[in-house]
Amino acid sequence: GAVVSQHPSWVICKSGTSVKIECRSLDFQATTMFWYRQFPKQSLMLMATSNEGSKATYEQGVEKDKFLINHASLTLSTLTVTSAHPEDSSFYICSARRSGNPYEQYFGPGTRLTVT
Amino acid sequence: SQQGEEDPQALSIQEGENATMNCSYKTSINNLQWYRQNSGRGLVHLILIRSNEREKHSGRLRVTLDTSKKSSSLLITASRAADTASYFCAYVASNDYKLSFGAGTTVTVRA
Repeated sequence: GAVVSQHPSWVICKSGTSVKIECRSLDFQATTMFWYRQFPKQSLMLMATSNEGSKATYEQGVEKDKFLINHASLTLSTLTVTSAHPEDSSFYICSARRSGNPYEQYFGPGTRLTVT
Repeated sequence: SQQGEEDPQALSIQEGENATMNCSYKTSINNLQWYRQNSGRGLVHLILIRSNEREKHSGRLRVTLDTSKKSSSLLITASRAADTASYFCAYVASNDYKLSFGAGTTVTVRA
């Protein structure tokens, strides 16, 4: 159990367009989901925490108007990269936390975004 | 989120040898976790050690935690080519729930 999926697994888009990435918990309800960004050969950096039915909490330095997060249900969170630029090219990974277990996160397989 | 430090950055060993990597952090923690990431893939949870635990085993993995030194180590015994991956420590601070990741150690196991 505790499977998290992401869609798409990779996407190429043109500069100026917006891209939506979905994160789903397949077999459990996730009250909280996290979005991370990972540049090549680097570690994961937390971008934002999203709680179902409320606004996301963004980490310092992350532009909330550029990275729109919606957590509309207990199994789905979406990250929309608006007006994407080449510097937004990165590996985006989501994770989900089950209610009642605050310390374990289940990670999705990641989405590779390339902006040309 | 504040990152921990890991060393070495990279490690190359022969199949059958042991691999040890270390993680240091700067705050009080609730627990520390280790993850594996194969190239271009998501993270696989390996092991979680709580702040009141000193050592934990899982198969060929051994994790130690020294809260007085704010450090942890991950030992992979009898390594296999399939162990080739990046390994990250991640900790949860005492008054928080978010994961803060270390910089990672890239392990290459030569056949």
